[in-house]
Amino acid sequence: IAGITQAPTSQILAAGRRMTLRCTQDMRHNAMYWYRQDLGLGLRLIHYSNTAGTTGKGEVPDGYSVSRANTDDFPLTLASAVPSQTSVYFCASSDSHFSGANVLTFGAGSRLTVL
Amino acid sequence: KQEVTQIPAALSVPEGENLVLNCSFTDSAIYNLQWFRQDPGKGLTSLLLIQSSQREQTSGRLNASLDKSSGRSTLYIAASQPGDSATYLCAPQRGKAAGNKLTFGGGTRVLVKP
Repeated sequence: IAGITQAPTSQILAAGRRMTLRCTQDMRHNAMYWYRQDLGLGLRLIHYSNTAGTTGKGEVPDGYSVSRANTDDFPLTLASAVPSQTSVYFCASSDSHFSGANVLTFGAGSRLTVL
Repeated sequence: KQEVTQIPAALSVPEGENLVLNCSFTDSAIYNLQWFRQDPGKGLTSLLLIQSSQREQTSGRLNASLDKSSGRSTLYIAASQPGDSATYLCAPQRGKAAGNKLTFGGGTRVLVKP
């Protein structure tokens, strides 16, 4: 079934540890996104990528990094996790970032708890 | 900075009643607006996309209207069913100059009682 796969589904992490959330899509979409969802704050864009080899900062990029070595994969890395990064993280993709009509497809999410 | 507000935050209705979900946004310079559905513990599913040049979009029992000049969109769900229980989010999308980014509202949590 075509779509987005995120891993892990859930993770508990000690503060200060490094963590990479994985995201893979099989739809050959050129644009990919990482959002975090927090109660009372909604969904906020962390980083995005218009196409393989390029990335950009979203609304809340601090403490996170991404890479886009190929079309399918868009990992999100927390270099040194802090409790405020406890959240549910969603990866999304769309088939054209510049068309103005990009319907987003979302993954099921990764729930991260930083203690 | 685009700000998106959804009212009400929560809604509970008996089965069969029509649902009206409101979304307002501060920056009317949008390319399109999307409505999403989110089930508990799940990701978001796109329901409807309205282009900025359109006034409404329909899919089955769902109808979304857009008044770009006043910064408002409304999602109507006709003859609600218990399976419509979910959180509904709206997300206006800015144009190319703003990186085509979507800004999400906080959502309206809907409960349809059998």
